[in-house]
Amino acid sequence: NAGVTQTPKFQVLKTGQSMTLQCAQDMNHNSMYWYRQDPGMGLRLIYYSASEGTTDKGEVPNGYNVSRLNKREFSLRLESAAPSQTSVYFCASTSLLGVGSGRPQHFGDGTRLSIL
Amino acid sequence: AQTVTQSQPEMSVQEAETVTLSCTYDTSESDYYLFWYKQPPSRQMILVIRQEAYKQQNATENRFSVNFQKAAKSFSLKISDSQLGDAAMYFCAYGGANSKLTFGKGITLSVRP
Repeated sequence: NAGVTQTPKFQVLKTGQSMTLQCAQDMNHNSMYWYRQDPGMGLRLIYYSASEGTTDKGEVPNGYNVSRLNKREFSLRLESAAPSQTSVYFCASTSLLGVGSGRPQHFGDGTRLSIL
Repeated sequence: AQTVTQSQPEMSVQEAETVTLSCTYDTSESDYYLFWYKQPPSRQMILVIRQEAYKQQNATENRFSVNFQKAAKSFSLKISDSQLGDAAMYFCAYGGANSKLTFGKGITLSVRP
């Protein structure tokens, strides 16, 4: 019963390096999301994909790119990592009707990313 | 845009006592859902309870219940008979028509034995 799987769980990067965070879900969900969690800030939406083939910016998209590879997979890329991107990153998914219809988002276990 | 406010950064409760975590939100939508998520030290995000805006009856899940005041845009979580395992960060979240969740900043709950 995997749910939402994120890889890696931890990563340390140097400033300027690039990195792709992977996310896959096995619940046949249509919508997928990437959040970052910083102390005192809650979870902030970076990008989301309401359905396969579409992606949209969230609240804090600068410095990130995403790819909805197929219905199962949604990756987040940092092209040139900066110390301000040090955070815990969560991937989440939900069914087509989404949270506005009461379907909760299911979360992965997060990736702790440190950028030196 | 919707906003969710959790004004208390921390709370503490004695084991077996009751505690209420506050949340307010702002929206112009009439139909939406509200959620409480729990994040223990393991970092998992666990759904605690959800409330449909068009239902007047407050949702309950075992020891967890909500006090939903739609006119006041208030959505508080009550934890009864608090247990050590309830210690965690709790997030209030709003889900509207655009399939996105808006989270509050969270509140850290500690439980004293």
